[in-house]
Amino acid sequence: DAGITQSPRHKVTETGTPVTLRCHQTENHRYMYWYRQDPGHGLRLIHYSYGVKDTDKGEVSDGYSVSRSKTEDFLLTLESATSSQTSVYFCAISGTADSGNTIYFGEGSWLTVV
Amino acid sequence: GESVGLHLPTLSVQEGDNSIINCAYSNSASDYFIWYKQESGKGPQFIIDIRSNMDKRQGQRVTVLLNKTVKHLSLQIAATQPGDSAVYFCAESLNTGFQKLVFGTGTRLLVSP
Repeated sequence: DAGITQSPRHKVTETGTPVTLRCHQTENHRYMYWYRQDPGHGLRLIHYSYGVKDTDKGEVSDGYSVSRSKTEDFLLTLESATSSQTSVYFCAISGTADSGNTIYFGEGSWLTVV
Repeated sequence: GESVGLHLPTLSVQEGDNSIINCAYSNSASDYFIWYKQESGKGPQFIIDIRSNMDKRQGQRVTVLLNKTVKHLSLQIAATQPGDSAVYFCAESLNTGFQKLVFGTGTRLLVSP
């Protein structure tokens, strides 16, 4: 258990509504990531953070924004959800003295946009 | 939760057999490689990693082999058990100080009792 909690775990929302997914970690990892997982595409990086208020875009960042106001929380926001954003979203963490650079994943958030 | 990767390549083995899962990676500059196991409805679970200055690394019942010449990675699981049934992903990364992983699409391992 790498001390990662994602919420909500499951959500159904309507097209055009805003959605925020939260990732909370308890072990002071420096780096945090948001991935999405879709059939045929594997896991793809959306955004990542390398410190408080320090974030950057990943491979599939369009339509998503993130914020990290404190070490333990990394929020992923869909400003106006679309059906193409129906996916499983995984938060990941890395970067402690004990775990080094190994990336550990949360249990996922299933999002359905109808 | 619904399983992802419904049309993945599948490797079917008998319990007790050794399993070999293969992965071709894309970037010859990648110097860090990881294998993850993902069970249905769960997040990827770290299994083993290897750096490009090695060609073999062993863990508990698992061995990773790296062939940089042909950009090929393999995961060997000894004495495969039904609990090993899952989707296995390889991932590659450049050593930029933190890991920006690029994942393969995965292989499903089915272990029959």
